[in-house]
Amino acid sequence: KAGVTQTPRYLIKTRGQQVTLSCSPISGHRSVSWYQQTPGQGLQFLFEYFSETQRNKGNFPGRFSGRQFSNSRSEMNVSTLELGDSALYLCASSFWDRDNTEAFFGQGTRLTVV
Amino acid sequence: KQEVTQIPAALSVPEGENLVLNCSFTDSAIYNLQWFRQDPGKGLTSLLLIQSSQREQTSGRLNASLDKSSGRSTLYIAASQPGDSATYLCAGVHQAGTALIFGKGTTLSVSS
Repeated sequence: KAGVTQTPRYLIKTRGQQVTLSCSPISGHRSVSWYQQTPGQGLQFLFEYFSETQRNKGNFPGRFSGRQFSNSRSEMNVSTLELGDSALYLCASSFWDRDNTEAFFGQGTRLTVV
Repeated sequence: KQEVTQIPAALSVPEGENLVLNCSFTDSAIYNLQWFRQDPGKGLTSLLLIQSSQREQTSGRLNASLDKSSGRSTLYIAASQPGDSATYLCAGVHQAGTALIFGKGTTLSVSS
């Protein structure tokens, strides 16, 4: 059974540019969540999509957005990149019903903004 | 606002020791709790999930418990090995939400 796949693994972008990250969840999982990990703030929740709808959103500026497709694959976009956006971006997938909420994470995308 | 504290922040032990990692929540209304392991520069590996109706889970040398009344969880690692060296993170889902709220982690180093 394939795990959660995130692409690309590494990205270097310039301030002001935009970037799109991709996440393919485990087959059958309908929930996809995105997290930002930095040394100072740790892991912080960005947003969650379930059946193509954003179900939950963290406390990040509107420059961070996402979407989910009918096959449950998800993308997140960051516009007008800032140096502080440099981080490891992790995607998690879950089957998500109230009796089965275990989250499985991908290897992450390491974004460096210069 | 839910906050998660993990104690200790770092731990160094010799191989073979049994150890306990602690996790506490400011809001005890936790629906479920999950423990993860993260190796440097890598993603998170799920270790144990304690569902809403459960109090503990075991997998091999790992045992995790959850006391919802106090908002505390512990991860017990028996007979530690150098391969256990990693950062261990606990995360809970609030009853009213779907997001995982993470602690900052405990970085474990096991020497041979």
